[in-house]
Amino acid sequence: KNEVEQSPQNLTAQEGEFITINCSYSVGISALHWLQQHPGGGIVSLFMLSSGKKKHGRLIATINIQEKHSSLHITASHPRDSAVYICAAHRSNDYKLSFGAGTTVTVRA
Amino acid sequence: GAVVSQHPSRVICKSGTSVKIECRSLDFQATTMFWYRQFPKQSLMLMATSNEGSKATYEQGVEKDKFLINHASLTLSTLTVTSAHPEDSSFYICSAQEMDRGVTEAFFGQGTRLTVV
Repeated sequence: KNEVEQSPQNLTAQEGEFITINCSYSVGISALHWLQQHPGGGIVSLFMLSSGKKKHGRLIATINIQEKHSSLHITASHPRDSAVYICAAHRSNDYKLSFGAGTTVTVRA
Repeated sequence: GAVVSQHPSRVICKSGTSVKIECRSLDFQATTMFWYRQFPKQSLMLMATSNEGSKATYEQGVEKDKFLINHASLTLSTLTVTSAHPEDSSFYICSAQEMDRGVTEAFFGQGTRLTVV
């Protein structure tokens, strides 16, 4: 079983819809990252969370440490949000990152 | 946020040649950098941990003689794919971590798409 599980694997939404991506982890963490990877390959760090909730523009990330679960929400989705979103857990024992398999998000105009 | 610059972004090389990929932390000192490989439709796989001034630590199954890592300064780590073969074709990404107020944040390079022909 992977240390980090993401769902769904793929997601298609109409422009304007609310999108949620879920991430569960089974290891002790110091922080959890949400990353965005566009088709060109480059990775952008969207959020780093160790507790609670963070908001940046139309993106919201939450984490529940007790339940070992995090969610990434995209409000009022737009075609430019189409990308692969990756959840990565920063392991507290060795500071390495464990990655989820990624969620491919496609937003149609 | 901090910036990690990776170069080149794309490279095509012939089988048997070597290719060097550079990863630089532009505005902070990174004592530790990480090298990842990503196969199509898959997530990132950690290859090795690059430590400034000492030998890299390789993950199980990664050939250290094939993937040479040098971390000569606090801002530069290099990955050299030696005697490249077509199966080495992949997307390689580096990351550097910065400890800030007890929390470690990770920053990623833009990645290098290697094609071996």
